[in-house]
Amino acid sequence: GDSVTQMEGPVTLSEEAFLTINCTYTATGYPSLFWYVQYPGEGLQLLLKATKADDKGSNKGFEATYRKETTSFHLEKGSVQVSDSAVYFCALLRSGSARQLTFGSGTQLTVLP
Amino acid sequence: DAGVTQSPTHLIKTRGQHVTLRCSPISGHKSVSWYQQVLGQGPQFIFQYYEKEERGRGNFPDRFSARQFPNYSSELNVNALLLGDSALYLCASSSTSGGPPYEQYFGPGTRLTVT
Repeated sequence: GDSVTQMEGPVTLSEEAFLTINCTYTATGYPSLFWYVQYPGEGLQLLLKATKADDKGSNKGFEATYRKETTSFHLEKGSVQVSDSAVYFCALLRSGSARQLTFGSGTQLTVLP
Repeated sequence: DAGVTQSPTHLIKTRGQHVTLRCSPISGHKSVSWYQQVLGQGPQFIFQYYEKEERGRGNFPDRFSARQFPNYSSELNVNALLLGDSALYLCASSSTSGGPPYEQYFGPGTRLTVT
């Protein structure tokens, strides 16, 4: 079945540091890939998405590139801020599966001033 | 416009009891999905409803059921609660216009604690 594997957390960085959160997936066909962010006490917010190989999703300084050859969708940001502290989830949506998202286990990010 | 709303925010139940969670989608959205998020884990898909019909079901026991009403709001019901049902229950709605992948908008969730 479909699965998403994220790097283990928690991740602690200083403000303005470079961020990478690794994500790899297993799925048949050509899934769409997503990064969601969850702030404390809140639901999930879509951060960015990519729908086909070599697509780059970007939003709020975050970027991720859909790499079909390595089945990866790593999240990066060049300079993190304290306000980026949250839990980040990688997810996939298999084509034809309507609305069934498969999520990774999440990576807790803490950014220190 | 209001986002996805869920009620109640928090709920405490005893083992063996029944619970009903409610979700109102974004206006115009006809699809509602339910997810269970156990502490420290990613959300797990439970159900998807579209136009009042079940369109997808995750690997959850028959104690879990749901329905969607004519106004597209939805209820998730869990019978015979177990301690392991303690989780954050998330509802997500999505549009059916604009083509796939249909972005899902999540509500703030209902925190269920089973004692």
